[in-house]
Amino acid sequence: DIQMTQSPSSLSASVGDRVTITCRASQTITRYLNWYQQKPGKAPNLLIYAASSLHSGVPSRFTASGSGTDFTLTISSLQTEDSATYFCQQTYSAPLTFGGGTKVEIK
Amino acid sequence: QVQLQESGPGLVKPSETLSLTCVVSGYSMTSGYYWSWIRQSPGKGLEWIGSISYSGNTYYNPSLKSPVTISVDTSKNHFSLKLTSVTAADTAVYFCARHGPTFNDAFEIWGQGTVVTVSS
Repeated sequence: DIQMTQSPSSLSASVGDRVTITCRASQTITRYLNWYQQKPGKAPNLLIYAASSLHSGVPSRFTASGSGTDFTLTISSLQTEDSATYFCQQTYSAPLTFGGGTKVEIK
Repeated sequence: QVQLQESGPGLVKPSETLSLTCVVSGYSMTSGYYWSWIRQSPGKGLEWIGSISYSGNTYYNPSLKSPVTISVDTSKNHFSLKLTSVTAADTAVYFCARHGPTFNDAFEIWGQGTVVTVSS
């Protein structure tokens, strides 16, 4: 199985800050990497697919990059509504696997 | 717009079978895409259980301890999950989701999730 490791596991930042989350795969997944945002009691929502493509309706302050084994998700200017847990997921090969999540809190 | 809605019992006894259904509205399942089950528990995070294609091909996570079956009923436009011989470790929030059009695409639409507790 491909292991997905996210860091940090949690962070606290102020409104307007630039926030970066990292996801590392245990083997190459080319660009089959997706990012999701999940708020408490809700299902995950797709933010980014194929490593860097913004899903429809997602604000442009969310950007992502990477290929192979190392990927990043960046929020350019953190907003209060971005308080959530963020997960990466590889869809390169079965079993499809998720990272452990990064909880983003607003100071 | 496409919507998914999970349903099923919220409480299942150990060693019994967990059965859930995901009703798809706004899209005909026979038109394409993959239909999946994912679960989330505090101890194991998000875990992909398996997927079924519009044509009925299935893909399962071999890490699951409980035997899994995913099936589709195109006449009712829904797909189902069965986990047999469940244990407390199968307690989780269960989500259904759509991904595609290929297996390697992201999970773009999710159901709201349903809580399942395994307990006597």
